[in-house]
Amino acid sequence: KQEVTQIPAALSVPEGENLVLNCSFTDSAIYNLQWFRQDPGKGLTSLLLIQSSQREQTSGRLNASLDKSSGRSTLYIAASQPGDSATYLCAVSKLSGGGADGLTFGKGTHLIIQP
Amino acid sequence: NAGVMQNPRHLVRRRGQEARLRCSPMKGHSHVYWYRQLPEEGLKFMVYLQKENIIDESGMPKERFSAEFPKEGPSILRIQQVVRGDSAAYFCASSPDYPPDHEQFFGPGTRLTVL
Repeated sequence: KQEVTQIPAALSVPEGENLVLNCSFTDSAIYNLQWFRQDPGKGLTSLLLIQSSQREQTSGRLNASLDKSSGRSTLYIAASQPGDSATYLCAVSKLSGGGADGLTFGKGTHLIIQP
Repeated sequence: NAGVMQNPRHLVRRRGQEARLRCSPMKGHSHVYWYRQLPEEGLKFMVYLQKENIIDESGMPKERFSAEFPKEGPSILRIQQVVRGDSAAYFCASSPDYPPDHEQFFGPGTRLTVL
């Protein structure tokens, strides 16, 4: 059974710092990995998707890496801003049937960027 | 292209009543996933459907819960005889057939409160 762990559970840093969020998963037979952000009381916004054959993806100030063999992914946020404050979720899927399986989520990292 | 739509956004039911949650996937998406987020817990996969077919319902409680995705109209998650433990946020996600990276896009969720 796939398990996803995110470290740290919570993080508070001053504005402008670069930071790294960590995600690990127990079963390396994944199809893809997605990073999301969730604002309080809201839905999930997809940030980055990495296919199992890829090593990293970049979008603006965000960079996600994937080491499938060791079961690890990191989300790097450069030059953090107060608007980045949210809960960041890591999720993995495996291929099944005609599409990707349901995602298995970590419990998230609650990030606060201090102005 | 409108995002994934869910309604109602908030639903209050008394114990023993039925709850019907609706999800309209993004245009062109034929894969629908339902997830549940219990208070203080992570997101858990419930069921994966393609048009008129249930692909994987391994996360669905065995009793009282059912899901469908008819040829026409939205996907429906139905909870019969609700209990207080069903109070949670229910999220729907959809993904397209192409590109085949199966990125999942989430709706805003339905927050169910059982009195």
